[in-house]
Amino acid sequence: DAGITQSPRHKVTETGTPVTLRCHQTENHRYMYWYRQDPGHGLRLIHYSYGVKDTDKGEVSDGYSVSRSKTEDFLLTLESATSSQTSVYFCAISPREPDTQYFGPGTRLTVL
Amino acid sequence: AQKITQTQPGMFVQEKEAVTLDCTYDTSDPSYGLFWYKQPSSGEMIFLIYQGSYDQQNATEGRYSLNFQKARKSANLVISASQLGDSAMYFCAMREGRGAGTASKLTFGTGTRLQVTL
Repeated sequence: DAGITQSPRHKVTETGTPVTLRCHQTENHRYMYWYRQDPGHGLRLIHYSYGVKDTDKGEVSDGYSVSRSKTEDFLLTLESATSSQTSVYFCAISPREPDTQYFGPGTRLTVL
Repeated sequence: AQKITQTQPGMFVQEKEAVTLDCTYDTSDPSYGLFWYKQPSSGEMIFLIYQGSYDQQNATEGRYSLNFQKARKSANLVISASQLGDSAMYFCAMREGRGAGTASKLTFGTGTRLQVTL
């Protein structure tokens, strides 16, 4: 299995608070991705990174920002959480393009 | 229009039987890849199988095979000899292009929940 961890695994927060989710990999893979999973929508891409400090937007990027200062870490930040951001968040990694993406265990976020 | 369509919200199959999970896709890109992922009740996403648009043969991985019909734009997952542990949600996904941009992006279907019964 790919070495991917996500923290925290569960979080409950209140509307308007900032939240940061962390994805950590031990595979030294160049590409990292953040998805959200909601019922009826499958997984949707939020942001992705193609190298340290290189990031770009995905399909549902509004309200989210990301940062990647080291190869192994990809952070997803909700600047001011809203209830619509209640979801399960998955990080994925890939060694090269194009290639299979391998997913982390997910983070369940609840915004009250 | 949906890029990935999984028309079966739920399926039942008896243990040891084979089952086919449907997936149709829509793309005008000649270069694309199709993936299947499994999500058990524990929540993790597990990669199962991959088919490239230029691959001549259908992909197989153990009990999993992909029935790729390019003209019909379908990429059905076939699970042979179902086991109780196969009960899970199954997602079809498509990657378009060869990553000519900065990174490929996967588009997922809404999933099919498979229940294997005794």
